Amino acid sequence: NAGVTQTPKFRVLKTGQSMTLLCAQDMNHEYMYWYRQDPGMGLRLIHYSVGEGTTAKGEVPDGYNVSRLKKQNFLLGLESAAPSQTSVYFCASSYSVSGANVLTFGAGSRLTVL
Amino acid sequence: AQKVTQAQTEISVVEKEDVTLDCVYETRDTTYYLFWYKQPPSGELVFLIRRNSFDEQNEISGRYSWNFQKSTSSFNFTITASQVVDSAVYFCALSAASNTGKLIFGQGTTLQVKP
Repeated sequence: NAGVTQTPKFRVLKTGQSMTLLCAQDMNHEYMYWYRQDPGMGLRLIHYSVGEGTTAKGEVPDGYNVSRLKKQNFLLGLESAAPSQTSVYFCASSYSVSGANVLTFGAGSRLTVL
Repeated sequence: AQKVTQAQTEISVVEKEDVTLDCVYETRDTTYYLFWYKQPPSGELVFLIRRNSFDEQNEISGRYSWNFQKSTSSFNFTITASQVVDSAVYFCALSAASNTGKLIFGQGTTLQVKP
């Protein structure tokens, strides 16, 4: 049982380049989330999805886009990477229990933008 | 607005000492959930506990215990007889009942347990 899988685990980009982070879950969870983790700031929600074909903005959505074409996948895109997007990105998923959701996290993807 | 504050940035203890990690939260919701997650050096996030706002009973799980006090909006985490394997970053988080599971995280507390 793989749980939540993120690819790639590491990536180095130059300013202005684009890339996509892929998150895949095999638990048939309805909800999926993208967070970023920065030193001293905890984890902040970028975007989330409450089901296939839906997406919504979180706390820090600027500079990112997302898509959820299939229930098991949630993609995070950076169209024009900036050094401020250097961070560790975590994907998470949960089943549909209102507010009490326990999130299962992926292992993280470390992105460096030069 | 919801907010979680973990005022302790870093804590260092010697093995077998007890240590308490503080968590203070702010919310206007009457129904909400509080969580603790552990992030060991390997980087993954591990769920430790969930508490709902109507249950103020303290909870104990082995060497771990949690003290939830609505009167002070706190949800503190105590490790008894700490071990080197407890070295990690610990996050406290808050979710409103109607919030589709979105977690608001504190800044995290880095715990170092020295042998």
